[in-house]
This record gives sequence, C-alpha cells and structure tokens, in this order.
Amino acid sequence: DADVTQTPRNRITKTGKRIMLECSQTKGHDRMYWYRQDPGLGLRLIYYSFDVKDINKGEISDGYSVSRQAQAKFSLSLESAIPNQTALYFCATSDSGLAGVAGELFFGEGSRLTVL
Amino acid sequence: DQQVKQNSPSLSVQEGRISILNCDYTNSMFDYFLWYKKYPAEGPTFLISISSIKDKNEDGRFTVFLNKSAKHLSLHIVPSQPGDSAVYFCAARETGNQFYFGTGTSLTVIP
Repeated sequence: DADVTQTPRNRITKTGKRIMLECSQTKGHDRMYWYRQDPGLGLRLIYYSFDVKDINKGEISDGYSVSRQAQAKFSLSLESAIPNQTALYFCATSDSGLAGVAGELFFGEGSRLTVL
Repeated sequence: DQQVKQNSPSLSVQEGRISILNCDYTNSMFDYFLWYKKYPAEGPTFLISISSIKDKNEDGRFTVFLNKSAKHLSLHIVPSQPGDSAVYFCAARETGNQFYFGTGTSLTVIP
C-alpha cells in the first residue's frame, strides 16, 4: 500500500461544482502539502500544514481551501470549480526537517482533475 | 517570480553518456536543494539532496553539484540508462519552511 494515498485519482466535473480531494498518509509525518502541476509551470504550492492546528497559504491558494482533519489526513476543496483549475494535484508529506536533514517530500500518486 | 528555474524543458542523451541537468535559484535563504524524478502517472520521487554548506553530494550514478556564488546547481547522471528517462524537478527548501520547485526537465535516454 502507498504511504501517501490520494482519492479520487481522476475526476471530471463541471464549472461551479464543489470538489474535495482527499489525502491520507501512513508515514507518521507532521507536515502535509498540496501542490498542483501544470505543463510548463512545474509544481506550485497551494496550501501546507505543519501540524493539525497549523494551516498556511502557499503560492496559489485563491479558489482553494483545506482541512487538516487529523495528523494523517489533509483534504483540499475547490468551493466552486472553474476550468483553469484543471490540473494534476499532488499531496505530499515531510517530517519536521530537523537541522542537518533535508526533510524531503514524499508524494502521493496524484489526482487528475478536469473542470469542464 | 519563479525562485527556482530550470531553463531547459528537455534533454536527450545517448545511453552510457553523461546527463547534466541544470537549475538556478534566486533566494539565498535556501538551506537544502533536492532533485526529484517523475515518471508519467506517478508522483515525484526523491532522488538526491545537498545541503547549502556543501558543494557536492554523490549517490551511485547521481551527483549533485552546488555553486552558491552563482546560485546554480546541477545533477549529473553517469552513465545514463534508458530507465532514467523521466521528468526531473529541482527543488529548494527555505530554512525550516516550504519547498519551491522548478518547472522540470524532461530527460530522454536513447538506447
């Protein structure tokens, strides 16, 4: 089983619909992240959370919201989806990044969202 | 503004030769630099990292070089193998904080 699991893996929806992407992890990491990947733009950070009570906006948070339901669960919501939110979304986790440790990210397999 | 840049969208090399992927950054507060590899339909996977206090880190066929004065890092793959064909993302971590990614370089290793 994957350490970082995203659901759904693929979703097609219509403009204006509310969509939730869910992420769960078994790595025991405190930190969780949501990124989106677009062609030619790489991976851009939407939101991140360093623990259950900590939520931070990333580079492109407009139009998105998140919820950290537990240490292992971090969901991303699109309240009213629009076509330019069509992208590949990745959840990631990392440990606390102690001094001398890179604290690298571990990614899920991605959720492909298409907004018509 | 993009804080981490990969100016080559694609690179093709012959099997057995060296692949060199480049990355530039602008933020002098980055303390770690990382390379990720991504195959289609999969999430990125961590490949190798380097601390900002070092100039080289080697792991098997993969070596990362850091030139802090030029704010430049590179990933060398020697020898390149067809299984190395993937998209490679450069990433940088702001001290104790979030990660920033480049736009990726698609590497094709020709058998």
